[in-house]
Amino acid sequence: AQKITQTQPGMFVQEKEAVTLDCTYDTSDPSYGLFWYKQPSSGEMIFLIYQGSYDQQNATEGRYSLNFQKARKSANLVISASQLGDSAMYFCAMREPRGTNAGKSTFGDGTTLTVKP
Amino acid sequence: ETGVTQTPRHLVMGMTNKKSLKCEQHLGHNAMYWYKQSAKKPLELMFVYSLEERVENNSVPSRFSPECPNSSHLFLHLHTLQPEDSALYLCASSQDIGNAGEAFFGQGTRLTVV
Repeated sequence: AQKITQTQPGMFVQEKEAVTLDCTYDTSDPSYGLFWYKQPSSGEMIFLIYQGSYDQQNATEGRYSLNFQKARKSANLVISASQLGDSAMYFCAMREPRGTNAGKSTFGDGTTLTVKP
Repeated sequence: ETGVTQTPRHLVMGMTNKKSLKCEQHLGHNAMYWYKQSAKKPLELMFVYSLEERVENNSVPSRFSPECPNSSHLFLHLHTLQPEDSALYLCASSQDIGNAGEAFFGQGTRLTVV
């Protein structure tokens, strides 16, 4: 069964500093996708970044980068130069594209990030 | 704007009411999903549709009834709900379920059952 673990219920970071949000995962399927989403207080789930299990390079999207360590089954999100608008809940998720779990996404419990001015 | 639109954004209903949540996407995606997000719980996948056919039902009570009339629209029909069904209901779509690419979410419907 798929499992996503986010061990940091809450994180604080000073504005303009970088922050790493942890995510570890467990799956027996060699093919999977890892995602990070941001959920502000408005409720919308905003896609941030995607890493495929066969991707050789770590994914980057603007200020977001994913530190993918396949052997350790970790997919940490790094946010550089934090902004006040980054304060939100962040979810790590995994989806398997085939087999009995095709289409299913598993989400972690989330990490609440607060950016301090 | 993610391309996935949910209506209504907020809904308050009594336990004897019947209401429907609507989700619409014009991204050309073939897979659509309903998720439930309760306070202090991770997202729970409720239903998965691929090419308008239901492929997953995660043991969801029958008081929740999904409908997918075409690949762009997904409904969640609600009847005789319980207070514990109060939650944020999120719709998502992705290119298809056989692709591990990103899913795009709507803004959600915040449901309160009184």
